[in-house]
This record gives sequence, C-alpha cells and structure tokens, in this order.
Amino acid sequence: DAGVIQSPRHEVTEMGQEVTLRCKPISGHDYLFWYRQTMMRGLELLIYFNNNVPIDDSGMPEDRFSAKMPNASFSTLKIQPSEPRDSAVYFCASSFGHQETQYFGPGTRLLVL
Amino acid sequence: GENVEQHPSTLSVQEGDSAVIKCTYSDSASNYFPWYKQELGKRPQLIIDIRSNVGEKKDQRIAVTLNKTAKHFSLHITETQPEDSAVYFCAASIEERFGAGTRLTVKP
Repeated sequence: DAGVIQSPRHEVTEMGQEVTLRCKPISGHDYLFWYRQTMMRGLELLIYFNNNVPIDDSGMPEDRFSAKMPNASFSTLKIQPSEPRDSAVYFCASSFGHQETQYFGPGTRLLVL
Repeated sequence: GENVEQHPSTLSVQEGDSAVIKCTYSDSASNYFPWYKQELGKRPQLIIDIRSNVGEKKDQRIAVTLNKTAKHFSLHITETQPEDSAVYFCAASIEERFGAGTRLTVKP
C-alpha cells in the first residue's frame, strides 16, 4: 500500500479564496482523521470519520471549514473563504479500528496570503 | 472532552543520557496510549504504544509506562542519540487527542 495520500503537498492562495485539501486513506482503514498543525497550537484534531460518517467535528474552528467523506477511499477538507490565520500544515491520518495506530499522510502545507 | 497534558515542552539532553516525557489524561475510559515521533518537516509516526492491561512495554531503547490509577503515562528513551532529536507526541484514546508535544534535542 502506498500509505495515506494527500494532495496538494503545498498550496499558496490569497485571502478569500476557496481551498480544498484531499486525502486518500489506506485501503481497508475505517477511521479517517484531519489535523491542523501550527507552532502556536500544536497538533489539533479537526474532525474524524468512522465508515465515512463524521463522528466528532468539535475541533472544526468555524463554519468556514467543512469536511466530507463521500466514500471509503476519499475525503476532502474545504476552507471557504480562507484567511491568513488558516496557514498551517494539514495532516490526514487513517486507522483500522478505534484506539489503534494512526498512519499519517505527508501533509499539505497551506499558506494564505 | 479528553484533556491530555504533556510535559516538558522542551527537553535537552547530552548524548548517552536518558530522556523522560510525561503525559496525563482525564478520561478514565481511555485504554490506548500511543507515542508518536515527528522529525523536522515530516509526518508523525508511531514509535511505541501501550494498552491499559499492561503497565510497561519496552522496545530496545524506548519504553512506555502506564499508571491508570494516577492517569499518567511516560516515555523513556535510554542511551539517547542525536537521531532521537524530534518532537514527541502522546495521545489518549477516546477522543483521539494529542498532547502539545515535547521537543527533544540530543546534543552530541
């Protein structure tokens, strides 16, 4: 397996633009997590899914953020409109079962100007 | 929700010394406690984990201990090497929350 795949790896955009981050989990994994990492706030859990259903989205910072998982092999995290404070590295991770090892993707480094 | 506290936030040791990082959690229902290592510019990766039915687990130079009564668990690295320099994160299971991380620097 190629591991968790994220795209794009880098994104530079201007304030107010829509940003869509994509994730393909490891085949067979039934949990998918989205994290945001910054120096100030560390590694924050934004949302996680089980069998494509959102379980906990309490970490989603505000309505500008939305996440979907239309099928077992694909998820998106969308920011609309983007703001400079959204600049961060966004990681997607997947696991087989709850309370199991999470496998992280390489991350998307987002810069909002 | 689950509160995971990790300390210290930074730790500097001399090569060959030991390093200890501690985490506390609040939800007594947690039963899985992983530790992840994140090297600069890379993704977090699991280095060791422990479940609540054991008190200690060891893998070569790294070990994790768990005290469920006190709700804390620790990462121990012995005979540290420069390549151990990284940020280490603990996590507690129920709500998949991570600690704030510990930046470990091993000086040669």
